Amino acid sequence: GQQLNQSPQSMFIQEGEDVSMNCTSSSIFNTWLWYKQDPGEGPVLLIALYKAGELTSNGRLTAQFGITRKDSFLNISASIPSDVGIYFCAGQLGGYQKVTFGTGTKLQVIP
Amino acid sequence: DAGVIQSPRHEVTEMGQEVTLRCKPISGHDYLFWYRQTMMRGLELLIYFNNNVPIDDSGMPEDRFSAKMPNASFSTLKIQPSEPRDSAVYFCASSLRLYKRTQYFGPGTRLLVL
Repeated sequence: GQQLNQSPQSMFIQEGEDVSMNCTSSSIFNTWLWYKQDPGEGPVLLIALYKAGELTSNGRLTAQFGITRKDSFLNISASIPSDVGIYFCAGQLGGYQKVTFGTGTKLQVIP
Repeated sequence: DAGVIQSPRHEVTEMGQEVTLRCKPISGHDYLFWYRQTMMRGLELLIYFNNNVPIDDSGMPEDRFSAKMPNASFSTLKIQPSEPRDSAVYFCASSLRLYKRTQYFGPGTRLLVL
């Protein structure tokens, strides 16, 4: 089956630093999604990408859909304490709704 | 607008007991998903419904698990009998097919089976 590998698994950064994380797949996807999960809550969608090569921003977050359709990355600029949480990538094939989630990147921001 | 509603938020039960988790999707959404999250396996899709009909239940771990969606505003996930290895956070999510297929998650039910 499809596997999504996220890296790094966890990271500690200083407030104000930029963050970069990525996700690679053993097979292609037609949609890439990035979610954030706060402690004790469900994942919340941050960014959705629908076309290979697409670069999309949402405030301080920027995500890109890799041209091979097997990878995606997420950047967070000028991190702040509320960025703490677990970030999940997810891939989806077109035509139906099944989504495969990555293993997550746990982000800790040191004030 | 209310988001996805799940109940209970926490459940502690003893091995062998029946557990029923409940979900109310966002009004108007026609897809509903049940996920399980554990440290070891991450987020796993258990089953999903389209217009109240189960489409893919290949993620349901075994016959002890069953899910129903009797109408567009309610779904249940039942575990009978429960086992300690079923301890996890169970999420329900819903989506509106016509709007770019993004899913909205509920707050989850934290299940502990002793």
